[in-house]
Amino acid sequence: EDQVTQSPEALRLQEGESSSLNCSYTVSGLRGLFWYRQDPGKGPEFLFTLYSAGEEKEKERLKATLTKKESFLHITAPKPEDSATYLCAVQAGYNTDKLIFGTGTRLQVFP
Amino acid sequence: NAGVTQTPKFRVLKTGQSMTLLCAQDMNHEYMYWYRQDPGMGLRLIHYSVGEGTTAKGEVPDGYNVSRLKKQNFLLGLESAAPSQTSVYFCASRPLAGGYNEQFFGPGTRLTVL
Repeated sequence: EDQVTQSPEALRLQEGESSSLNCSYTVSGLRGLFWYRQDPGKGPEFLFTLYSAGEEKEKERLKATLTKKESFLHITAPKPEDSATYLCAVQAGYNTDKLIFGTGTRLQVFP
Repeated sequence: NAGVTQTPKFRVLKTGQSMTLLCAQDMNHEYMYWYRQDPGMGLRLIHYSVGEGTTAKGEVPDGYNVSRLKKQNFLLGLESAAPSQTSVYFCASRPLAGGYNEQFFGPGTRLTVL
């Protein structure tokens, strides 16, 4: 069964304290892996798409990487405004519009 | 551009009542989706549409119906609400071109069924 697991569930960081969020997946025929950011009371906001192992994408303080079994979202020198829930999703197989979402990592960055 | 909008933002229903959630997008996107988000679970796809006049079932379609009469609107209906349908509902859309990835989400509708 296709599955996406995110860890940790919650993460508290001091401003400037770098860390990584993990998304491990078990799917047949990975078509793409996606990272979204979700602020409280709002809808998810697209961040990155990764398609193949070894691929990396960067945006400001965020860097996403992909291996054959997992993806990491690295946060370098985070700021309080990076506080949010980060969601990982995978698209498994072709000719499908189904994204399988993980339950997210709730990140809090304190000044 | 307003992007993806959802109406209403909040709603409380009694068991057995019916309601319709409205999703509208002004980006001329072909694809539209309805998800539900529950605590401890990831977003789950209810129904989706690949174009005006078409709909398809997602992962958890039971108890819901949808319609896409106009390209910019996607309606989600609950004919007889049940407490298990208490959730936050998100609508999303994406253009035809490109990958299956960059879905634009609305702000959500928080529904409580008593």
